[in-house]
Amino acid sequence: GAVVSQHPSWVICKSGTSVKIECRSLDFQATTMFWYRQFPKQSLMLMATSNEGSKATYEQGVEKDKFLINHASLTLSTLTVTSAHPEDSSFYICSARVAAGGYYEQYFGPGTRLTVT
Amino acid sequence: EDKVVQSPLSLVVHEGDTVTLNCSYEVTNFRSLLWYKQEKKAPTFLFMLTSSGIEKKSGRLSSILDKKELFSILNITATQTGDSAIYLCAVSDYKLSFGAGTTVTVRA
Repeated sequence: GAVVSQHPSWVICKSGTSVKIECRSLDFQATTMFWYRQFPKQSLMLMATSNEGSKATYEQGVEKDKFLINHASLTLSTLTVTSAHPEDSSFYICSARVAAGGYYEQYFGPGTRLTVT
Repeated sequence: EDKVVQSPLSLVVHEGDTVTLNCSYEVTNFRSLLWYKQEKKAPTFLFMLTSSGIEKKSGRLSSILDKKELFSILNITATQTGDSAIYLCAVSDYKLSFGAGTTVTVRA
């Protein structure tokens, strides 16, 4: 299957600072990537859809000025959590979509655990 | 709004048992249904089921899709402790809508 990487795998930052998370498709090109967050014992919540060369599409209730997404190339999308606060602490996961016989399979990166102190 | 419901929410079995996980859905523009296994990190892809591929099998895991009744089943036979995980069902129109997951615990 397709491989998606994320960096860093975990990060601790102080309240008020910004954190950037990278998501890369390693062996394929991804015009579309997705960003999710997951709280303990809960399922994945889609935050935004990242499209290469255009603006991201945010889900209802997700602040686009707080969670900046940039999809600068066909293999890289970044999520920047700006002015992070403790309530932003979560597990952030990206995924990339791969065309498969007229449909799309979706592969996930290993996730980034963000802790804001 | 798209809706994906998994059942049971959790179950505990012993090694060698067979497990059946259920996923029902309501989606406006159904394209495919995907199963994932999540251990400590992000989900890993298991199967994708579509109109043209309603049954999949890989080793001890198998899955079927009933598009008429809007549900899918994931079966795991001869379970092992390594099968302990959260199993997520997701339905795709343009983007994935996830169920809450089923936590499977396999005891030795």
